[in-house]
Amino acid sequence: GIQVEQSPPDLILQEGANSTLRCNFSDSVNNLQWFHQNPWGQLINLFYIPSGTKQNGRLSATTVATERYSLLYISSSQTTDSGVYFCAVSSVQGANNLFFGTGTRLTVIP
Amino acid sequence: GAGVSQTPSNKVTEKGKYVELRCDPISGHTALYWYRQSLGQGPEFLIYFQGTGAADDSGLPNDRFFAVRPEGSVSTLKIQRTERGDSAVYLCASSLTPPVQGGTQYFGPGTRLLVL
Repeated sequence: GIQVEQSPPDLILQEGANSTLRCNFSDSVNNLQWFHQNPWGQLINLFYIPSGTKQNGRLSATTVATERYSLLYISSSQTTDSGVYFCAVSSVQGANNLFFGTGTRLTVIP
Repeated sequence: GAGVSQTPSNKVTEKGKYVELRCDPISGHTALYWYRQSLGQGPEFLIYFQGTGAADDSGLPNDRFFAVRPEGSVSTLKIQRTERGDSAVYLCASSLTPPVQGGTQYFGPGTRLLVL
């Protein structure tokens, strides 16, 4: 299946700082989603972004499909942003499911 | 309901027992997926339903795992002769459109299964 790599694996930020999370993938995609998994395990949709740029409040994301990567930007981080961020993609070739990366664990300290 | 719901939220069972996990997708969503998440890992695909039929069960680890969706809405994941290695969080997701058309998958809160 398609390979998904996320970096960095762990990130510690002071409250108020900005960060960029990266997702590289190995094939053409027809679906790319960013999720935040909160401490209770719930996967919360952040963006559906197989291409282009989107913004939602302090969060924004950009996917450059031709270069097979996506970036998630978090600005003015808050302690409630802590958790694991997953990038998940489905390949144009085998599109029945999402393949998840191993995630970036973000800890925001006050 | 407003989102994907799953029951039970937690299940503890003994090795060798049979368990059923239930998923209620978002109303009107024809596509339904089951994933499994082990500690420290990302979710891994198990099975995908389009309507009542299992369109792709390539992720089921072995024949102890089976899933149904008889009326095209609620789905049940069934695990026979449970093993300690089956312990994980089982996640259900649904989407309005088939995966080949892209579209957002929405996840439920998961069922935490512990096999003793």
